[in-house]
Amino acid sequence: SQTIHQWPATLVQPVGSPLSLECTVEGTSNPNLYWYRQAAGRGLQLLFYSVGIGQISSEVPQNLSASRPQDRQFILSSKKLLLSDSGFYLCAWRASGSLDEQYFGPGTRLTVT
Amino acid sequence: QKEVEQNSGPLSVPEGAIASLNCTYSDRGSQSFFWYRQYSGKSPELIMSIYSNGDKEDGRFTAQLNKASQYVSLLIRDSQPSDSATYLCAAGHQFYFGTGTSLTVIP
Repeated sequence: SQTIHQWPATLVQPVGSPLSLECTVEGTSNPNLYWYRQAAGRGLQLLFYSVGIGQISSEVPQNLSASRPQDRQFILSSKKLLLSDSGFYLCAWRASGSLDEQYFGPGTRLTVT
Repeated sequence: QKEVEQNSGPLSVPEGAIASLNCTYSDRGSQSFFWYRQYSGKSPELIMSIYSNGDKEDGRFTAQLNKASQYVSLLIRDSQPSDSATYLCAAGHQFYFGTGTSLTVIP
């Protein structure tokens, strides 16, 4: 069966510091991968999605970037965090080329201080 | 331009009642629709997917799709306190989510 991992689970970072969040998927090949952010009390905002290694599409211009160095690895990064980057970051996967559902990882709670 | 719209609620129903959650979408080309449940502090979990017009039932949950009206709904029968959560609607290949509807089931 497929499993999706995210780490760290929680993170407290000062403004201006760098960020690296990692997501890996097991049990499937060539998945579509997604990064979402959920601010407190808000809905899910799609940040990036990827249909393959090195293929990244950005939905929202911001100080975040994403990379997909391996088929089942998706990384979210920032060079300098802003207070507004605080939130719940969720990675999700979906079978490539399908209309099927997305499955979410456990999430990373980021607090920028 | 929002792709998916939901009433933010909060919606409160007594235990045992039917909870009705609604969602509209703007992209007529959307072919897939999903309902997720999210407990506070947790990641969303899939409840139902629906692809064709009409009703789809799974236990106490029924999803309804009307593509002509661009409308998706979720009915929860015999609501339980454990159903208290935020319910998210998603549509389309790009998986745009609504802002979610907060449901509270009162014992």
